[in-house]
Amino acid sequence: GENVEQHPSTLSVQEGDSAVIKCTYSDSASNYFPWYKQELGKGPQLIIDIRSNVGEKKDQRIAVTLNKTAKHFSLHITETQPEDSAVYFCAAPGGAQKLVFGQGTRLTINP
Amino acid sequence: DAGVTQSPTHLIKTRGQHVTLRCSPISGHKSVSWYQQVLGQGPQFIFQYYEKEERGRGNFPDRFSARQFPNYSSELNVNALLLGDSALYLCASTPHSPGTYNEQFFGPGTRLTVL
Repeated sequence: GENVEQHPSTLSVQEGDSAVIKCTYSDSASNYFPWYKQELGKGPQLIIDIRSNVGEKKDQRIAVTLNKTAKHFSLHITETQPEDSAVYFCAAPGGAQKLVFGQGTRLTINP
Repeated sequence: DAGVTQSPTHLIKTRGQHVTLRCSPISGHKSVSWYQQVLGQGPQFIFQYYEKEERGRGNFPDRFSARQFPNYSSELNVNALLLGDSALYLCASTPHSPGTYNEQFFGPGTRLTVL
């Protein structure tokens, strides 16, 4: 089955700097890669996703890149703000019926 | 539009008891999935239901069961609770049928504490 590895587990950046979180997956047939943001006491919120037919997708300050050959994908947040502080999860399909999540990255934005 | 809703928000039970958690998907979504999130970890898949039929099951014991109703809402039942069942239980809905992209939208979760 699919296995997703995520790193780093914690990340601290200065406000205004960029943050990058990386994930690797094991199943070369996986074709959909979402990123979720989870704030304290809330459920995961889908913030961006990418499908296997593209290499990069941007949405304002957030971007995701995909390298199918190396089987890894990354989340890039530019011009970070205090409200970006949260736990971020990557995921990949574990079969059509489920998502397999990474272990999470706790991002802290320092003012 | 309202998002995925779950009830109750918090629940405290003792070992051996039974619990029922409820979920209402986003309007128009026919597929509901359940995940367990233990503190400090990513969500783990428990079940998926589509059109009232179970379409996927994760690696959880038979103490865990679920069902989906004609209005597409869903219940997750856990029998003979163990301390290790303490977790945030998340419900997610998707507009897609099984076999297509797995874009899923999560509810706020039910925090279950087993004493």
